[in-house]
Amino acid sequence: EPEVTQTPSHQVTQMGQEVILRCVPISNHLYFYWYRQILGQKVEFLVSFYNNEISEKSEIFDDQFSVERPDGSNFTLKIRSTKLEDSAMYFCASRKARANNEQFFGPGTRLTVL
Amino acid sequence: GESVGLHLPTLSVQEGDNSIINCAYSNSASDYFIWYKQESGKGPQFIIDIRSNMDKRQGQRVTVLLNKTVKHLSLQIAATQPGDSAVYFCAENNNAGNMLTFGGGTRLMVKP
Repeated sequence: EPEVTQTPSHQVTQMGQEVILRCVPISNHLYFYWYRQILGQKVEFLVSFYNNEISEKSEIFDDQFSVERPDGSNFTLKIRSTKLEDSAMYFCASRKARANNEQFFGPGTRLTVL
Repeated sequence: GESVGLHLPTLSVQEGDNSIINCAYSNSASDYFIWYKQESGKGPQFIIDIRSNMDKRQGQRVTVLLNKTVKHLSLQIAATQPGDSAVYFCAENNNAGNMLTFGGGTRLMVKP
């Protein structure tokens, strides 16, 4: 069964450093998402992406964040200058079509900012 | 404000019993709801969904009930098994399937 994959599974970085989290959505999906989950808290929406552009973003997704689909398979989340409070699990999700609401989630990347 | 939330943080049930996990929402305009299961170290996994034009939907061992009058959603798991132990989130899908708004989660613990 096709699944969303994410790399790395765990990323440790120093405050102020840039990180790139990578995702490979399910191949025939058209809508892509990033969510984050701070330890012990609920999952929070960051951004959605369709047709090579951001379609919606939350207040969390400020100028330090960016997303890109550099080729036909990868979907990346970049944090330019990480802060301690960026430490969280980051989940990528994808959805097949507008008529199908189900979002499939990847296993997540645990980001630890020291 | 608009929110999706859960009543109980932890639910402990005996193996074989039925489980009921509850969720309240405050946005009366919400029209689509999903239940996700999250096991330790994994991403949320879709369980079942329901649209606001329905009040009940059944899957394999799971049933979702929607009461629009009191803005309440529940997930019923029949014959709960140890593999059902996880955190369960309700979520609201808005903007024609774009962002998901998650509730706080309920941890289900199944005792053997």
